[in-house]
Amino acid sequence: DTGVSQDPRHKITKRGQNVTFRCDPISEHNRLYWYRQTLGQGPEFLTYFQNEAQLEKSRLLSDRFSAERPKGSFSTLEIQRTEQGDSAMYLCASSPGQYTDTQYFGPGTRLTVL
Amino acid sequence: AQTVTQSQPEMSVQEAETVTLSCTYDTSESDYYLFWYKQPPSRQMILVIRQEAYKQQNATENRFSVNFQKAAKSFSLKISDSQLGDAAMYFCAIPLIQGAQKLVFGQGTRLTINP
Repeated sequence: DTGVSQDPRHKITKRGQNVTFRCDPISEHNRLYWYRQTLGQGPEFLTYFQNEAQLEKSRLLSDRFSAERPKGSFSTLEIQRTEQGDSAMYLCASSPGQYTDTQYFGPGTRLTVL
Repeated sequence: AQTVTQSQPEMSVQEAETVTLSCTYDTSESDYYLFWYKQPPSRQMILVIRQEAYKQQNATENRFSVNFQKAAKSFSLKISDSQLGDAAMYFCAIPLIQGAQKLVFGQGTRLTINP
């Protein structure tokens, strides 16, 4: 399967714990995006990487959130000291790198904070 | 700022019939493109169709077509010969041209197919 993959698919954690999600983009895709989707809503942009550089972050991304993309391949999204309001679907998308490119989405990681 | 509005939270259609999902948007760009994505229950979001704003011809992909009205900033999706597998949330989206080209999504329309 050469699509975008995400791991884990589901994560249940207790409030205050740290969690980390992984995204593997489509091979050769330079751009990688993280979005957050709450129930019944459209995804909202969190952050964006061009290769290994994190070039834009949404104000939704509080200082408890950090994302990395070492070597411009896979990316991780870490949430520290989780809160119940962090419960959502976290989606990763990638695109080849031209501004007209389509973004291809992974299956998402559903986070539940108890 | 770019915004996307989907005014139909839910729609239903009989199998084999045609349904149209509405989307309006606002942008200050003159050259842009638009997407419809489909998100089946508990499954990943997939691209249905895309439209380049500079193209006058409406995009078509098999049973899916768009009615793109640039002056009215309207971008509706028509699904012909609806099938049970078309049941999903449908999102209209427009990328911000500057910077990250992040997608701005509408609120979504939940489409139910009645057998």
